[in-house]
Amino acid sequence: DSGVTQTPKHLITATGQRVTLRCSPRSGDLSVYWYQQSLDQGLQFLIQYYNGEERAKGNILERFSAQQFPDLHSELNLSSLELGDSALYFCASSVGLGGETQYFGPGTRLLVL
Amino acid sequence: GENVEQHPSTLSVQEGDSAVIKCTYSDSASNYFPWYKQELGKRPQLIIDIRSNVGEKKDQRIAVTLNKTAKHFSLHITETQPEDSAVYFCAASNPASGGSYIPTFGRGTSLIVHP
Repeated sequence: DSGVTQTPKHLITATGQRVTLRCSPRSGDLSVYWYQQSLDQGLQFLIQYYNGEERAKGNILERFSAQQFPDLHSELNLSSLELGDSALYFCASSVGLGGETQYFGPGTRLLVL
Repeated sequence: GENVEQHPSTLSVQEGDSAVIKCTYSDSASNYFPWYKQELGKRPQLIIDIRSNVGEKKDQRIAVTLNKTAKHFSLHITETQPEDSAVYFCAASNPASGGSYIPTFGRGTSLIVHP
């Protein structure tokens, strides 16, 4: 157990819908990272928050957004879902801004039908 | 941006053999190189990492080597065991704007250790 929690574990929804994925970092970690893992694209970095502020963006679609709350938990919002958004979504946390161990949560498996 | 190539995509070995996974990166500013192991249906877990000021690092049966000039780094697993079977990801991290270190991952190597 890494200490990072994610909910829900599984999510099945329809195209065009909106979902929210939730992540709680390890106690003491200030950074939260979101990743998308699919079979054809591997592990792709989406976005990073540090102590409530957005710090880095990867190839995150405009239909996706995230935020980190004062208690440091984070939510990833996916809207206007498409079939291709089906993937495993991981969050990870670290103490600082990076260049250190990232601890991954168990992931949320999203299936868009 | 950074580009990380990882080879091979699949590696099959007999128990007790050694396994080597190789990665190359493109951005000379990258200075932190973690390796993650992901078992089927589970989360990626860090197994070893190396920084650019070090050429080699060992942890029991696992070692990582880094050649900054050639921009490549490798994972070495000796005396492989069936429980080593998993997908291994390499990554290269460099400081993005704002001081964050964002990893770019390789596509992964599926290691299969036959008893």
